[in-house]
Amino acid sequence: SVLLYQKPNRDICQSGTSLKIQCVADSQVVSMFWYQQFQEQSLMLMATANEGSEATYESGFTKDKFPISRPNLTFSTLTVNNARPGDSSIYFCSSREAGDQDTQYFGPGTRLLVL
Amino acid sequence: SQLAEENLWALSVHEGESVTVNCSYKTSITALQWYRQKSGEGPAQLILIRSNEREKRNGRLRATLDTSSQSSSLSITATRCEDTAVYFCATDAGTGGYKVVFGSGTRLLVSP
Repeated sequence: SVLLYQKPNRDICQSGTSLKIQCVADSQVVSMFWYQQFQEQSLMLMATANEGSEATYESGFTKDKFPISRPNLTFSTLTVNNARPGDSSIYFCSSREAGDQDTQYFGPGTRLLVL
Repeated sequence: SQLAEENLWALSVHEGESVTVNCSYKTSITALQWYRQKSGEGPAQLILIRSNEREKRNGRLRATLDTSSQSSSLSITATRCEDTAVYFCATDAGTGGYKVVFGSGTRLLVSP
């Protein structure tokens, strides 16, 4: 199994500022993803974080607004640029374990409130 | 629009009873997954059932998949209060990146 850690676990920021969320896996993982979840709603896939290359973004999410880096197989960061109150949600990183494509793991989430 | 949808927004049962959550999906899949998300936590995968499987079990959990009707169910027997959570079905696009698309979830309350 894979354990995913996220930092910070929650944050409050002012509109117009940027926030960086870190995700660390306790072992190397092939695939890493970022999801957004609004209060009482489903999880929405934002992007696939690709090691050493640009992330692949889903419709409605852009690299200018949500730049993602993945320098190695255990680490990824999601930045929320020019944060707005509408960005207030929970951000989860997720992974598939290398060699075991049957299980997807999620981090504990980062709760962001933008004032 | 969601590619997968649970049929009910919420369910309530008493401890010890059995309960079934249903899901329908709109796309061709390689697998369908069931997740549980407890309050304040990230989702936890319960069962992954592949498109060539009809049933899969994990302890008190049983998932079924009917690809002809594009539907799935998750049954929980002998429910416990700690089963209280939101249950999501999710389609596995299986396009190489294994990205998972979630339904809107069914909120299950198990009361004593």
